[in-house]
Amino acid sequence: EAAVTQSPRNKVTVTGGNVTLSCRQTNSHNYMYWYRQDTGHGLRLIHYSYGAGNLQIGDVPDGYKATRTTQEDFFLLLELASPSQTSLYFCASSVNQDTQYFGPGTRLLVL
Amino acid sequence: AQSVTQPDARVTVSEGASLQLRCKYSYSGTPYLFWYVQYPRQGLQLLLKYYSGDPVVQGVNGFEAEFSKSNSSFHLRKASVHWSDSAVYFCVLSGGYNQGKLIFGQGTKLSIKP
Repeated sequence: EAAVTQSPRNKVTVTGGNVTLSCRQTNSHNYMYWYRQDTGHGLRLIHYSYGAGNLQIGDVPDGYKATRTTQEDFFLLLELASPSQTSLYFCASSVNQDTQYFGPGTRLLVL
Repeated sequence: AQSVTQPDARVTVSEGASLQLRCKYSYSGTPYLFWYVQYPRQGLQLLLKYYSGDPVVQGVNGFEAEFSKSNSSFHLRKASVHWSDSAVYFCVLSGGYNQGKLIFGQGTKLSIKP
């Protein structure tokens, strides 16, 4: 079973704050993804990567940066957090864009 | 444009009853289709997937789905639901292996009455 972990599980910050969400997968999958989940929208893709050092823009990238430092680690950065970024964030990994394996999620509240 | 529509935001069924969750997709080619389930306070887990061949695919926990190219649908079914099936179910579309991102439906929240 693929293992994807996320940290922190919950985060509270203030408007304008700097937040980093972390994701690690231990199955040597080449693809990793960051999504946000909001009521009425399902999951929306923020950024994804197909390997260390690679970054691809998703469907809702504004206000987010991401970095893939290793095969295992993918980070999502909010450098000037806004209340509109309050959401539930999921990381996922896959082999060649096949079945995706999801982490448990990070709940972010921006006050 | 690719899209997935789950027309029912919420469905309630009695325990032991049969279930169908609807999914319609829009895609010009032959899609790869998935159903994922999200249990409370958890991430998403794969229930089943369809790539080609037999239009009825079997998944975990007694779930199955039927692909229909003519109707652009991929409905999820279960013969007899259990209280533990309470969750949010997502229908998901892909352009194919190495062919693009996943497109998620908005999800259907399933509640089971005792």
